[in-house]
Amino acid sequence: GIQVEQSPPDLILQEGANSTLRCNFSDSVNNLQWFHQNPWGQLINLFYIPSGTKQNGRLSATTVATERYSLLYISSSQTTDSGVYFCAVRAADGGSYIPTFGRGTSLIVHP
Amino acid sequence: DSGVTQTPKHLITATGQRVTLRCSPRSGDLSVYWYQQSLDQGLQFLIQYYNGEERAKGNILERFSAQQFPDLHSELNLSSLELGDSALYFCASSVGAGQTPQETQYFGPGTRLLVL
Repeated sequence: GIQVEQSPPDLILQEGANSTLRCNFSDSVNNLQWFHQNPWGQLINLFYIPSGTKQNGRLSATTVATERYSLLYISSSQTTDSGVYFCAVRAADGGSYIPTFGRGTSLIVHP
Repeated sequence: DSGVTQTPKHLITATGQRVTLRCSPRSGDLSVYWYQQSLDQGLQFLIQYYNGEERAKGNILERFSAQQFPDLHSELNLSSLELGDSALYFCASSVGAGQTPQETQYFGPGTRLLVL
């Protein structure tokens, strides 16, 4: 099945810093989502972005489908951005339509 | 708030016991997915139901079973519990069966299970 790798695995930032999280995938995808799991465990949808660029406030995401990666940008980070960021993809080959999740990037933002 | 509800939020039980986790999907969603998140395994897909029928099966143990009722809520039953079953169990829902590429999943708050 499709492989998903996220980097870096861990990230520690000072409040106000910017960061870029990466998601690489091994095959063509027709669905890619970014999620934030907050420290209380809840998984929150951030973006549905199988290709192109989207922005939502301080967060933006870009997926370059032809090169099989997606980037999540966090600008002017805040302590509330702490948590784990997951990307989840679905292969475009018509096989399983169940999303495959990466292992996540754990982000800690210090005040 | 995703619109997906799960109960209970926390569950503490002993080895060998049986528990039932409940999930109500977002209004209008027909699919329910169950996932297990443990520290060493990440997010693992267990099973999907669509409009009352089992649709896809992942790494679900034989000791676990699920069903989706006519009102579309779903229950995940875990029996003969072992220490290793301690995890966060998520339910997610989506509008259709999942085959449409742009279909997205929305997750509930999870049930944290601790087996002692």
